[in-house]
Amino acid sequence: DAGVIQSPRHEVTEMGQEVTLRCKPISGHDYLFWYRQTMMRGLELLIYFNNNVPIDDSGMPEDRFSAKMPNASFSTLKIQPSEPRDSAVYFCASSPIQGPRELFFGEGSRLTVL
Amino acid sequence: KNQVEQSPQSLIILEGKNCTLQCNYTVSPFSNLRWYKQDTGRGPVSLTIMTFSENTKSNGRYTATLDADTKQSSLHITASQLSDSASYICVVRAGGGADGLTFGKGTHLIIQP
Repeated sequence: DAGVIQSPRHEVTEMGQEVTLRCKPISGHDYLFWYRQTMMRGLELLIYFNNNVPIDDSGMPEDRFSAKMPNASFSTLKIQPSEPRDSAVYFCASSPIQGPRELFFGEGSRLTVL
Repeated sequence: KNQVEQSPQSLIILEGKNCTLQCNYTVSPFSNLRWYKQDTGRGPVSLTIMTFSENTKSNGRYTATLDADTKQSSLHITASQLSDSASYICVVRAGGGADGLTFGKGTHLIIQP
């Protein structure tokens, strides 16, 4: 299995622009998570899905952030409009429902908003 | 409030030396505790997962311990190598929920030749 695949790996954009981050989870995993990582705050959960349904989006910082999972193999995290304080590394992770629900992370998307 | 505190924040040791990273948590009810290794520019990768009944678990040169009574865990690295340079993140899962993960901020470890 190729693991969790994220794109783009790096994104540089200007304030006010729309940003879309993409994620392909591991096939067969029931859960998909979006995290944001900064030096100051570490890893923070933004939202997670169970079988494509959003379960908890309480970590989404503002209405500028939205996430979708139209099918079991694809999810997007959108920021519109982007702001400099959104600069961070965004990770997608997936996990199976069985066992200890091991988290498998993608390589992350580093976002820089100028 | 569930919290995970890691110490030290950063650590520099010479190649070949041993080191121990600490994790204290106040997560309830406890389900399991994980240690992740995160190389620079990469995603976190799981090293170990420990449940309530496990006191010690090894993965090569990495040995994790868990004291559920004092709510402490440690990660011991033996005979460090340059490739051990990374951030090590302690994550505790609370029972009952689909997510329920509380992340520490990590220990940044640098191995010098």
